[in-house]
Amino acid sequence: GNSVTQMEGPVTLSEEAFLTINCTYTATGYPSLFWYVQYPGEGLQLLLKATKADDKGSNKGFEATYRKETTSFHLEKGSVQVSDSAVYFCALSDPTGGGNKLTFGTGTQLKVEL
Amino acid sequence: KAGVTQTPRYLIKTRGQQVTLSCSPISGHRSVSWYQQTPGQGLQFLFEYFSETQRNKGNFPGRFSGRQFSNSRSEMNVSTLELGDSALYLCASSLYGSAGSTDTQYFGPGTRLTVL
Repeated sequence: GNSVTQMEGPVTLSEEAFLTINCTYTATGYPSLFWYVQYPGEGLQLLLKATKADDKGSNKGFEATYRKETTSFHLEKGSVQVSDSAVYFCALSDPTGGGNKLTFGTGTQLKVEL
Repeated sequence: KAGVTQTPRYLIKTRGQQVTLSCSPISGHRSVSWYQQTPGQGLQFLFEYFSETQRNKGNFPGRFSGRQFSNSRSEMNVSTLELGDSALYLCASSLYGSAGSTDTQYFGPGTRLTVL
């Protein structure tokens, strides 16, 4: 079946540090890939997405490239801020069957300190 | 455009009771999906509705059910509540969400259900 593996958290960084959160996936077809972010007490917000191999999704300084050869979609940001503290989820859309289903990783908590 | 709304935001129930949660999708979106989020199991897919029909279903017992109305609003129901049903229930909507879709799912703020 489909699965998403994310690096364990929490990840603690100083403000302006470089961020990488690793994400790898297993899928039977050619999924779309997503990063969602969840702030405390809130639902999920789409951060970025990529729909085919070599696509790069980007938003608010975050980037991720769909790497089919390594089945990866790592999230990066050059300079994190305290306001980026949240839980980040990597997800894929299920390309098989009929309908809409997201498979999520376990989430990675990011803490950014001054 | 208004986002996905969910009501109520918080619920407290006791074991054995039943509960109904409501979700209003973004205007024009026809696909509504439900997810359960718990610290132990993470985010798990419950089911998806499109044009008032359940199109996809996750691996949950029959106590979990849902429906969709002609205006795309959706409800989910949990009967005979158990302690383990305590969770954040998230609703997401997308335009069509067909198989292999590149549609984005937009999430609501969730309903926090506590079962005592």
